Amino acid sequence: DVVLTQSPVSLPVTLGQPASISCRSSQSLVYSNGDTYLHWFQQRPGQSPRRLIYEVSKRDSGVPDRFSGSGSGTEFTLKISRVEAEDVGVYYCMQHTRWPHTFGQGTNLEIK
Amino acid sequence: EVQLVESGGGLVQPGGSLRLSCEASGFSFSDSWMSWIRQAPGKGLEWVAHINPDGSQKYYVDSVKGRFTISRDNAQNSVYLQMDSLRPEDTAMYYCTKLTLWGKGATVTVSS
Repeated sequence: DVVLTQSPVSLPVTLGQPASISCRSSQSLVYSNGDTYLHWFQQRPGQSPRRLIYEVSKRDSGVPDRFSGSGSGTEFTLKISRVEAEDVGVYYCMQHTRWPHTFGQGTNLEIK
Repeated sequence: EVQLVESGGGLVQPGGSLRLSCEASGFSFSDSWMSWIRQAPGKGLEWVAHINPDGSQKYYVDSVKGRFTISRDNAQNSVYLQMDSLRPEDTAMYYCTKLTLWGKGATVTVSS
């Protein structure tokens, strides 16, 4: 199975400051068609997950442009340019290049 | 309204069965891959099962193979998860999702 390792596990951030989460894969996530199915999800406290970024760097509809994704192969990053209070929650990377589809263990973003 | 609504969760004894249902509305259900993803209390996300639009392809995580069955009825805009031989470690919130849209979840508790 593909193992996704996120770092850090806990991320205290001051409001207005940037934040960055890393996701490393145990295998390349490039599919046979050349696409890379690595996505990022946000789960606010008490809510269902919500997809923010798909295929490494494409923002979902309605997602603020302070969220961005980058990376390739086995190394990926989610960046928040200026953290706001509503960004508190757990962030997960997820791959569906290979079955079983897998998630990272999550990164808990909190406000300092 | 675009939504997914799960039902059928509850408390069941080890070895028992439950059937989760998920009714979709507001989008083209018959064109959508659908998944069940679960989250144990205080834990991360785990992909459980996945079904293609016409129901001919089904995938399961190893821990539920032979015990869980995913199915769908496109005429009813619904996807199902039949869960047999339930174990305490199956205790979780079960989400129905097409990744861009998530339900609020159904709680499954396996305990004597």
